[in-house]
Amino acid sequence: GENVEQHPSTLSVQEGDSAVIKCTYSDSASNYFPWYKQELGKGPQLIIDIRSNVGEKKDQRIAVTLNKTAKHFSLHITETQPEDSAVYFCAASLPNFGNEKLTFGTGTRLTIIP
Amino acid sequence: NAGVTQTPKFQVLKTGQSMTLQCAQDMNHEYMSWYRQDPGMGLRLIHYSVGAGITDQGEVPNGYNVSRSTTEDFPLRLLSAAPSQTSVYFCASRKRGSYEQYFGPGTRLTVT
Repeated sequence: GENVEQHPSTLSVQEGDSAVIKCTYSDSASNYFPWYKQELGKGPQLIIDIRSNVGEKKDQRIAVTLNKTAKHFSLHITETQPEDSAVYFCAASLPNFGNEKLTFGTGTRLTIIP
Repeated sequence: NAGVTQTPKFQVLKTGQSMTLQCAQDMNHEYMSWYRQDPGMGLRLIHYSVGAGITDQGEVPNGYNVSRSTTEDFPLRLLSAAPSQTSVYFCASRKRGSYEQYFGPGTRLTVT
């Protein structure tokens, strides 16, 4: 099965600086890579995702890059703000039409220092 | 829309007790899943369903049962609770043809 590793487990950045979280996956057949944000006491919420036919995707201050050759993908948050403090999870999914299942990374606790 | 709702929010059980965690969604999503979240281990899939009457096992199914009699509801049953089942449980749903999963707020379960 798929295995997803996520680094770092904790990350502290000054407000206004950028944050980068990296994930690697094991199965080269994986084709869908979402990122979820989990705030304290809440369920994870999708913030951005990327398919394997795309190398980069951006949504305002958030971007995700994918390197299929190296089997890794990264989340980039620019101009960080206090509300970006949360736990972030990456995930990967194998193509199994109608039955896709996500394998999650272990999470990164991001703290924005005012 | 209320989205995905879960009850209860918190529960304490004694070893050997049974209980059902409730999950409901009002988005008419075909797919529903149960995950458990443990410190340092991310979210792991317990069971999932691709439609009413159809369920299948995920990564960590032992000790849990599910059924899907309606599109809206997907309860998770703990048959005989064990301390190893202490965790936060999340229910999620998504629409066929879409990858995006919508998560509920979670149930924090403690087994003593």
